[in-house]
Amino acid sequence: AQSVTQLDSHVSVSEGTPVLLRCNYSSSYSPSLFWYVQHPNKGLQLLLKYTSAATLVKGINGFEAEFKKSETSFHLTKPSAHMSDAAEYFCVVSDYSGGYNKLIFGAGTRLAVHP
Amino acid sequence: EPEVTQTPSHQVTQMGQEVILRCVPISNHLYFYWYRQILGQKVEFLVSFYNNEISEKSEIFDDQFSVERPDGSNFTLKIRSTKLEDSAMYFCASSDAGTHNEQFFGPGTRLTVL
Repeated sequence: AQSVTQLDSHVSVSEGTPVLLRCNYSSSYSPSLFWYVQHPNKGLQLLLKYTSAATLVKGINGFEAEFKKSETSFHLTKPSAHMSDAAEYFCVVSDYSGGYNKLIFGAGTRLAVHP
Repeated sequence: EPEVTQTPSHQVTQMGQEVILRCVPISNHLYFYWYRQILGQKVEFLVSFYNNEISEKSEIFDDQFSVERPDGSNFTLKIRSTKLEDSAMYFCASSDAGTHNEQFFGPGTRLTVL
């Protein structure tokens, strides 16, 4: 079965410093992986997705993630944090078993950005 | 830009009452989903729906739950007799293909069961 583990429940950074949100996955086949962001009282927005093309994936708002099969990781990074990046981030793996697609979410990482 | 919409944004109900949560998926999408997030917990898959029938459902999706696409635009989740533990944020999502493509999520309905 597919699963994801987000290694940090809370991450706090200063504005202008790099962001690293860590995610490890478990999958019995080549996975599709996603990062979604949830701002307070808002829905889930896709940041980026990996679907077996380039291993370095660029997303919206300057975020990117690198798929590393040898480490079963899909960490999310951003070179310089902005106050508006404060939100909950979810690492997600797609599960195709049964022939249809469902998303398996990690527990989430809450990112705080300080001035 | 097309988006998934959900109504109501917040629903308060008494235990044992029936509730219907409504979603309007993106118009050309063919696959529809419901997820829920109990406060402080993970987002969990409930059910997927394609071609007017359930394609997969989780263990959570018991006989108290049902889904329907009553017309060409709406997708509903009904909870027949609500329990306290049904209190959660319910998200609707849709996609235009069943495998790799992105699922677009609505803003959610917060259900509070008293």
